[in-house]
Amino acid sequence: EAGVTQFPSHSVIEKGQTVTLRCDPISGHDNLYWYRRVMGKEIKFLLHFVKESKQDESGMPNNRFLAERTGGTYSTLKVQPAELEDSGVYFCASSQVSSGHYEQYFGPGTRLTVT
Amino acid sequence: GEDVEQSLFLSVREGDSSVINCTYTDSSSTYLYWYKQEPGAGLQLLTYIFSNMDMKQDQRLTVLLNKKDKHLSLRIADTQTGDSAIYFCAESNLETGRRALTFGSGTRLQVQP
Repeated sequence: EAGVTQFPSHSVIEKGQTVTLRCDPISGHDNLYWYRRVMGKEIKFLLHFVKESKQDESGMPNNRFLAERTGGTYSTLKVQPAELEDSGVYFCASSQVSSGHYEQYFGPGTRLTVT
Repeated sequence: GEDVEQSLFLSVREGDSSVINCTYTDSSSTYLYWYKQEPGAGLQLLTYIFSNMDMKQDQRLTVLLNKKDKHLSLRIADTQTGDSAIYFCAESNLETGRRALTFGSGTRLQVQP
């Protein structure tokens, strides 16, 4: 069974440009999460989808970030326009219910560098 | 709000035991997790413990939870060079219904041969 995959693995863009990150969750997982780690700090939650619906978007930093999950399968996270402080590693995770807690399986991350 | 803190770096010799520490602030019913990140890879769940437990052991890994002090530790017995990685402590609060994980900054474990 394939794990969570993310594309691209690295992206370097200039300030003001747009970047779209993609996440493919494990097949059959209804829950999909986005997190990011900025400059070696803690990994911070961005948002949580249940199927195609946004369950919790309390971690989205501002309206330059737009996440979608049309059809409830893969998800995209668009940053428009990108700022320097958006640089970091963006992780995606997916989960189903397991033993009363939702074990989250993480992808390898997309490293975003904004210059 | 929830907060999770870890020390940033730990260096041990191969064969020794490693102890990685974490403190958290949430006093609600919660799951506490240890994730491992190897270079270029995603986060791998190592183990988890529910907040009503004191200890959990899984092969070389032992998790200890001190609820009074809100202190969590991960002990790796007979540490190997393949254990070199960043270890993240995380928690999820069941009572709020949120599934978001709150992570610490990660502890980089360096194992010297």
